[in-house]
Amino acid sequence: AQSVSQHNHHVILSEAASLELGCNYSYGGTVNLFWYVQYPGQHLQLLLKYFSGDPLVKGIKGFEAEFIKSKFSFNLRKPSVQWSDTAEYFCAVSPLSNTGKLIFGQGTTLQVKP
Amino acid sequence: EPEVTQTPSHQVTQMGQEVILRCVPISNHLYFYWYRQILGQKVEFLVSFYNNEISEKSEIFDDQFSVERPDGSNFTLKIRSTKLEDSAMYFCASSEEGKPAPLHFGNGTRLTVT
Repeated sequence: AQSVSQHNHHVILSEAASLELGCNYSYGGTVNLFWYVQYPGQHLQLLLKYFSGDPLVKGIKGFEAEFIKSKFSFNLRKPSVQWSDTAEYFCAVSPLSNTGKLIFGQGTTLQVKP
Repeated sequence: EPEVTQTPSHQVTQMGQEVILRCVPISNHLYFYWYRQILGQKVEFLVSFYNNEISEKSEIFDDQFSVERPDGSNFTLKIRSTKLEDSAMYFCASSEEGKPAPLHFGNGTRLTVT
């Protein structure tokens, strides 16, 4: 079955700490990969995406993610988090045939302590 | 930056009643979607809509659900006879022409069925 699994449900970090959020997917075919972020009270926003090409993708606000095809993983990283990064983070995949049909992970709540 | 807007932000209805959730996608977008998130669960794809017809729907999107683009700006989700288990956050999204294209999400409508 198609699924996305995020390793951490709730992460608490201090400012300036490094962040890595794990994401693995199970899908029988080529996929597009996404990370979305939802700040408190706001809508889901695209953080970064991978469609093809360089497996290391850079997104907004200093985030990056690496697609490792052999591991079916798309982990999100940031070298130094800020208090304003406190949010919920969602990994998602979609088939090439329908980019808008996203399969989401369960989300990871990141709390950054000042 | 253009946004997807959804109204109302919160809708309370009694079981068996019909509800219509409204969305105004970004004006030059051509693909439209509805997702939902039951409290504590993953965000789930419901339906995608293009060129005035449903392009894909999930198992969740049964005969109780329908979508419509009644004019050039609105995109609606109707639930004909609501059930308690329809209580969820409903997200509208849109994307522009050309694949692949990332989704832009609205803030969501929280539907509570009592």
